[in-house]
Amino acid sequence: DAKTTQPNSMESNEEEPVHLPCNHSTISGTDYIHWYRQLPSQGPEYVIHGLTSNVNNRMASLAIAEDRKSSTLILHRATLRDAAVYYCILRQSNYQLIWGAGTKLIIKP
Amino acid sequence: EPEVTQTPSHQVTQMGQEVILRCVPISNHLYFYWYRQILGQKVEFLVSFYNNEISEKSEIFDDQFSVERPDGSNFTLKIRSTKLEDSAMYFCASSDPRLTGYTFGSGTRLTVV
Repeated sequence: DAKTTQPNSMESNEEEPVHLPCNHSTISGTDYIHWYRQLPSQGPEYVIHGLTSNVNNRMASLAIAEDRKSSTLILHRATLRDAAVYYCILRQSNYQLIWGAGTKLIIKP
Repeated sequence: EPEVTQTPSHQVTQMGQEVILRCVPISNHLYFYWYRQILGQKVEFLVSFYNNEISEKSEIFDDQFSVERPDGSNFTLKIRSTKLEDSAMYFCASSDPRLTGYTFGSGTRLTVV
């Protein structure tokens, strides 16, 4: 079973920041937090991942709570092309990705 | 940017027939995976492959499924005798030795009729 909990959907306005929350209260010390997104009719796309510290890359930022039981994916300035299903996933020590239902992000022009 | 390539993009097959789905992972990646997504459902792990052998497999990956890396570049998923419930998008993925992000292909849509 998925070990993460995300809202089913979120809406945001174009060119505004988006904060996508994820709860993972049963995370173990060796689990990495991964985020992927899936645009309609496409394969999943890697967004970002982290272990304990906050992470930034060209796509997004990942804020990880101090107790690691939750994290937030931050899109600094959403565009219409960011409309997708965003998955928060714990990558376990056996390298499997166990997927949940994700958050459908709707961007309003 | 390097890509994972999957062929064909769409395969239609009759129930009971064998199908082979093909993938070309990123060249310096060492870990390879197959996932599937039934229409409207979650992405499900099937199998992971490292050092020319299966490292993990899910309950879905029964005796009807097999994987192979026949020539050092291709990574294939074979379904021996397809069932209607095998209809899904099948995604291949690979990851690099530092096991950072996984790169997914665009998928093969398998339709069993």
